[in-house]
Amino acid sequence: AQSVAQPEDQVNVAEGNPLTVKCTYSVSGNPYLFWYVQYPNRGLQFLLKYITGDNLVKGSYGFEAEFNKSQTSFHLKKPSALVSDSALYFCAVRDSDSNYQLIWGAGTKLIIKP
Amino acid sequence: GAVVSQHPSWVICKSGTSVKIECRSLDFQATTMFWYRQFPKQSLMLMATSNEGSKATYEQGVEKDKFLINHASLTLSTLTVTSAHPEDSSFYICSSGTYGERTDTQYFGPGTRLTVL
Repeated sequence: AQSVAQPEDQVNVAEGNPLTVKCTYSVSGNPYLFWYVQYPNRGLQFLLKYITGDNLVKGSYGFEAEFNKSQTSFHLKKPSALVSDSALYFCAVRDSDSNYQLIWGAGTKLIIKP
Repeated sequence: GAVVSQHPSWVICKSGTSVKIECRSLDFQATTMFWYRQFPKQSLMLMATSNEGSKATYEQGVEKDKFLINHASLTLSTLTVTSAHPEDSSFYICSSGTYGERTDTQYFGPGTRLTVL
């Protein structure tokens, strides 16, 4: 069965420090992996995706994520956190062999403290 | 990037009335649209998959007679919450996108906050 796990409900990071938001997945075919961010009372904004190619993908707002096939992970990272990065982050996966439906993680609340 | 709009952005209605939410793809043709529901501080819950020109596919546990979906054109899908009750109060989000090995991306509408009194 397809699934996505975001093991941390909340991540707290001091401004200027590096941040990591974890995501692991399980699919039967090749994974298409996505990160989205949601600000309060707003829709979701696309950050980045891995479909094929380089395992390290760079996205919006200075975020990047590394696809690790052996660990079935797709952790979101940023070298230096900003207070404005505080939001809810969702990891999602689509099985290349399935329909277009995304499987969503539960979300991780990221809090960046000044 | 592609844009998906939703209307209205928020709505308050009385219990027992029906509410229609529109989802439009503004610069691409959306053969498939997804409708999600999101409760406070929770993840998205897929309600149904809307396919242009055919019946929507509902997820298990979602009442198709209560949440009517119409996808009459390649740019518009509507969700109608019929006989709304307070427990239907939620944040409803639609999405669509382009699919394929190189272009796979879903775009999300800004969401509609429904409050049923």
